[in-house]
Amino acid sequence: AQSVTQLGSHVSVSEGALVLLRCNYSSSVPPYLFWYVQYPNQGLQLLLKYTTGATLVKGINGFEAEFKKSETSFHLTKPSAHMSDAAEYFCAVISTDSWGKLQFGAGTQVVVTP
Amino acid sequence: EAGVVQSPRYKIIEKKQPVAFWCNPISGHNTLYWYLQNLGQGPELLIRYENEEAVDDSQLPKDRFSAERLKGVDSTLKIQPAELGDSAVYLCASSLGTGLTDTQYFGPGTRLTVL
Repeated sequence: AQSVTQLGSHVSVSEGALVLLRCNYSSSVPPYLFWYVQYPNQGLQLLLKYTTGATLVKGINGFEAEFKKSETSFHLTKPSAHMSDAAEYFCAVISTDSWGKLQFGAGTQVVVTP
Repeated sequence: EAGVVQSPRYKIIEKKQPVAFWCNPISGHNTLYWYLQNLGQGPELLIRYENEEAVDDSQLPKDRFSAERLKGVDSTLKIQPAELGDSAVYLCASSLGTGLTDTQYFGPGTRLTVL
């Protein structure tokens, strides 16, 4: 079975500061990993995904994430937060072990302060 | 390119009443998903369609929930009768194929409130 744990349900960052959202997964087979963002009253939008190859993945809006197999982590970062980054962020995992079912974490709400 | 369209965006009903949600996926996307998102949680898959066929409905409460995808395009999710615990956001998503790495594109969701 696979699962996703997002550390911290709420994160507050200052505008211009580093954004770091933590995601750990468990999977008995190599996983594919995703980060989605959800703005208020909108659907989820894909930020980035890791499938194979380079473990540092760059996404939209200046976000990137690094797959670390030894740590079973896929943390999301952005060097400088912008007010428009305020949203909820979801980490998700999928694998052959889950019959192709995308498993989401509980989400992290990001607040950006001026 | 138009995204996934859902309607209605908001629905308020009294318990025991029926309710239906409609989804129009991105043109050409063969796979369609319905997710349930409770407040403060991530989405959970209810049902997945590949064309007209429901290939994974293991999480769909079949005593009160039903879904259909006629002609392999639009889909409808129905609840009858609704219960207080059904209050949530119902998300529809679609993807081009069924591969594990195929990106799922989400609609804005229908927020259901059961009184």
